[in-house]
Amino acid sequence: DQQVKQNSPSLSVQEGRISILNCDYTNSMFDYFLWYKKYPAEGPTFLISISSIKDKNEDGRFTVFLNKSAKHLSLHIVPSQPGDSAVYFCAASRTDSWGKLQFGAGTQVVVTP
Amino acid sequence: DSGVTQTPKHLITATGQRVTLRCSPRSGDLSVYWYQQSLDQGLQFLIQYYNGEERAKGNILERFSAQQFPDLHSELNLSSLELGDSALYFCASSVVAAGNTIYFGEGSWLTVV
Repeated sequence: DQQVKQNSPSLSVQEGRISILNCDYTNSMFDYFLWYKKYPAEGPTFLISISSIKDKNEDGRFTVFLNKSAKHLSLHIVPSQPGDSAVYFCAASRTDSWGKLQFGAGTQVVVTP
Repeated sequence: DSGVTQTPKHLITATGQRVTLRCSPRSGDLSVYWYQQSLDQGLQFLIQYYNGEERAKGNILERFSAQQFPDLHSELNLSSLELGDSALYFCASSVVAAGNTIYFGEGSWLTVV
């Protein structure tokens, strides 16, 4: 039962443009959402998170938007840089079981010059 | 460098064998998590320990077990290995309070032949 879904397995974007990654979830009990970035042969690296009491969180070039009614979140990267080429995972958790993350399948982002 | 250390980085073993994966959490983190990343199942939560006690269980097989020692390092034991157990096993750690960043190690690649 895939409770967190990333329906786009890949995304190609030009350097300097915006990257938009989408994520949907089915479990309304999730109240915390995270994005991780992963390079080959490395572990996932935390990028940004958002609590369900917010609808937006921004950190530098990264902004996460949460639409609770639609059970949808998105990650915006502006401007995209070549070093952003990686796999991005969306994850969801309940604050009463912190650390038990449900991950999406990931989206491979390629930033082209 | 996330501060989470995993050994070994790579391991090749035969079916039916038993292996132990080791994890040292970030300094000060009492909570340790184990995740499995396989091609068909993606990143899945296996088990969580907090200060030596099992805190939460996910999709962990009965052939697998884990423990956390007084010095807070953790071991994941995989026994009666099958071909399908070939995967990347990640350890992560965090302060247990919700909202705190969960840091992942670089993973242990297990290949069962």
